[in-house]
Parts: sequence; structure tokens; C-alpha cells
Amino acid sequence: GIQVEQSPPDLILQEGANSTLRCNFSDSVNNLQWFHQNPWGQLINLFYIPSGTKQNGRLSATTVATERYSLLYISSSQTTDSGVYFCAVEGRDDKIIFGKGTRLHILP
Amino acid sequence: DAGVTQSPTHLIKTRGQQVTLRCSPKSGHDTVSWYQQALGQGPQFIFQYYEEEERQRGNFPDRFSGHQFPNYSSELNVNALLLGDSALYLCASQTDRIGAQYFGPGTRLLVL
Repeated sequence: GIQVEQSPPDLILQEGANSTLRCNFSDSVNNLQWFHQNPWGQLINLFYIPSGTKQNGRLSATTVATERYSLLYISSSQTTDSGVYFCAVEGRDDKIIFGKGTRLHILP
Repeated sequence: DAGVTQSPTHLIKTRGQQVTLRCSPKSGHDTVSWYQQALGQGPQFIFQYYEEEERQRGNFPDRFSGHQFPNYSSELNVNALLLGDSALYLCASQTDRIGAQYFGPGTRLLVL
């Protein structure tokens, strides 16, 4: 099946810093989503982005489907951005695969 | 507009028992997917329901079964519980099997 790799696995930043999270996938996908999981376990959909670039406030994402990767940018980090960021892809077999996530710690 | 809701929030069972978890999708959504998330791991896809049928299934044994009702709500049933079934069970909904998925708060299952 399709493989999804996220990097880095862990990231510690000072409040106000910018960060880039990466998601690589091993085969063509129907779609790609980015999620944020808060410390209480709630998964929040950040972007539905099978291709192209989207922006929402301090967050933006770019997916280059032909090169099989996606990037999530977080600017001017806040402590509330802490948590785990997951990339999830739907393969051509319609099955949804999550990466292992990037654990982000924003220090005040 | 209510989001995705799940019940119960927490559950403790013993090995060999059976459990039923429930999910109500976001208003306007007709597709429900279930995931298992072990501690420190990413969610693992169990199966997806659309039009009251199981449309896709991940690598989970037949002990895991489900159902979708005409009002699009869904149940996840797990039989013959094992210690390894202890996890956070997440439900997600979307429209017509495409588009962004919206997750519920999850049910934390502990098997003793």
C-alpha cells in the first residue's frame, strides 16, 4: 500500500518562529489533508489540498502531486499551535492512510 | 450546526467482551469513516460507510464490524475484545465520499 512519511518527527520552536512540515507519499493519491491534533485528542481539519496552494491565516499548505509531497507552513507560531500535525492521503484504492505525525512544541 | 458527535466518551471493558461505539455525522454529511488511534501513533483506517454500505476497509479483522443507519449515523462494533484493542476510536464524516473530513472527539476504550 501507499507509504506516507512526515518530517521532522519532532520540532521545538520559540513563540513567533516560522516552521515548515513535510509530507512525502509513495504513489499517486486522490486527495491529501492536513490535520492538527490538540492535546485532548481532537483532530481539526486544516486543509483539504490534493494539489496547489491554500492559505488560512498564519497557515498555508502546498501540494505538488506530480512530485508526491506536501508542505505545511506555520508562520508566527503561537503556543496554541502546539500538538501533533498529521498528513493523510487517500490512495487510488480509496483507502485513507495517515502519516506518523510531526509533534510540535511552541515555547512561550 | 452540530459537528460530529461520538458516544460514549470513555469506556472500560474486559477481555472477551463486546463493545458498540456510536457516531453522528456533521449535518449534511452522508459518509462516515472509523479510525483506531493507539497511543503515540497516527489514526489507522478501519472502514468507511456510505449509503448504508461498507465501501472500504483497512487491515482490521472481522471482529471489527459496523453499520450505518438511514439518518447517516453509524456504529462500530468490536467483538472478543483484546488488550491491544485499547485505543482512541475516532469517527469522521464528509460529503459523498469526497472533500474534507471532520472528526469527532473520539471514544477512549480501555480493555483490561
